[in-house]
Amino acid sequence: SAVISQKPSRDICQRGTSLTIQCQVDSQVTMMFWYRQQPGQSLTLIATANQGSEATYESGFVIDKFPISRPNLTFSTLTVSNMSPEDSSIYLCSVDDGNEQFFGPGTRLTVL
Amino acid sequence: GNSVTQMEGPVTLSEEAFLTINCTYTATGYPSLFWYVQYPGEGLQLLLKATKADDKGSNKGFEATYRKETTSFHLEKGSVQVSDSAVYFCALSDQGYSTLTFGKGTMLLVSP
Repeated sequence: SAVISQKPSRDICQRGTSLTIQCQVDSQVTMMFWYRQQPGQSLTLIATANQGSEATYESGFVIDKFPISRPNLTFSTLTVSNMSPEDSSIYLCSVDDGNEQFFGPGTRLTVL
Repeated sequence: GNSVTQMEGPVTLSEEAFLTINCTYTATGYPSLFWYVQYPGEGLQLLLKATKADDKGSNKGFEATYRKETTSFHLEKGSVQVSDSAVYFCALSDQGYSTLTFGKGTMLLVSP
């Protein structure tokens, strides 16, 4: 199994600013994922982040808006850039250990 | 593309009632199917899974059977408890791929 922590757990930000969310895993994993859960909606995959390569973004998400870093096998960051109220969501990171996908507790972002 | 449809909530039940949450899917291949649960204030946890047709996943009294002919993976529990109150997500992943496609989630509220 994998235990995942995220920072911050929640934040309230002004439009036009950026927020970087950190994801820390207690074991080395190859594949990490970032999801968004908009209010009342399902989880939507933003990108897949593998260590040592550029993140792969899903349709509708671009690197300029959601830059991702993956400096090692236990850590990743997602930045939400130039925020607008539409970016208000819960952002979750997850990892796959080859048998199961584990999720972090999420970061609740509110943009005013 | 892949999609997951699950019944809208909230589902409100009394303790010891029978639970069914419907889930149907659309996929091009033979996906693996999952139910995740999100308790209040916590991250998503895998509840159960099934990787091929006619498989039954079970955990904590919950069951779901992979029905290829009806493309369904309905979640059932014979007697719910107050502690089962949570949001339940049905999800799928394509064989050989880790990324998950989620349904919108169904909130379950169990009263004493």
